[in-house]
Amino acid sequence: AQTVTQSQPEMSVQEAETVTLSCTYDTSESDYYLFWYKQPPSRQMILVIRQEAYKQQNATENRFSVNFQKAAKSFSLKISDSQLGDAAMYFCAYRSPRGTYKYIFGTGTRLKVLA
Amino acid sequence: NAGVTQTPKFQVLKTGQSMTLQCAQDMNHNSMYWYRQDPGMGLRLIYYSASEGTTDKGEVPNGYNVSRLNKREFSLRLESAAPSQTSVYFCASSEGGRSTDTQYFGPGTRLTVL
Repeated sequence: AQTVTQSQPEMSVQEAETVTLSCTYDTSESDYYLFWYKQPPSRQMILVIRQEAYKQQNATENRFSVNFQKAAKSFSLKISDSQLGDAAMYFCAYRSPRGTYKYIFGTGTRLKVLA
Repeated sequence: NAGVTQTPKFQVLKTGQSMTLQCAQDMNHNSMYWYRQDPGMGLRLIYYSASEGTTDKGEVPNGYNVSRLNKREFSLRLESAAPSQTSVYFCASSEGGRSTDTQYFGPGTRLTVL
């Protein structure tokens, strides 16, 4: 069975600085999808970025980018030029390309942004 | 386009009471999901519906039932609430049936069982 691990319960970053959130996963599949979701205090889960495992190029969305290391089964999220609005819980998620496409979530990392 | 909506936003129940959480999506998605979120445990799948007319158990289905009323609506029922069911509940939907599927979430329901 697949598992997702986020080993950093909490991180802090100074406004305008860069921070990296870690995520590792375990799977025997070769093709799959990885996601980062943001959950602000409003509780709404918001998709930040998505990575297809068959793509070697790391996904990027504005100030958010990933470092996808398939062999190491690592999927970290880098936030550049951090803003106060980036403060939230961040969840890493794994999805198999087969079956019913269920997600497996990590336990989350709480990001604090310091002014 | 409201996306995924959930009602109610908050609910307090006494042990043994029953209630139904409602979820609706207006994105014409085929698949719908119910998750619960507990502190330090991320989101765990309770039940899902891959398509209209089908439902299947997820990781933590005990104490819950679901109904896929139509393509838009997917409800979660607690027949006899227990304090262990105190949690935040999220509904999600996705197009389904495609390998590039992405789930979109509702705003959540905070449920407290006394």
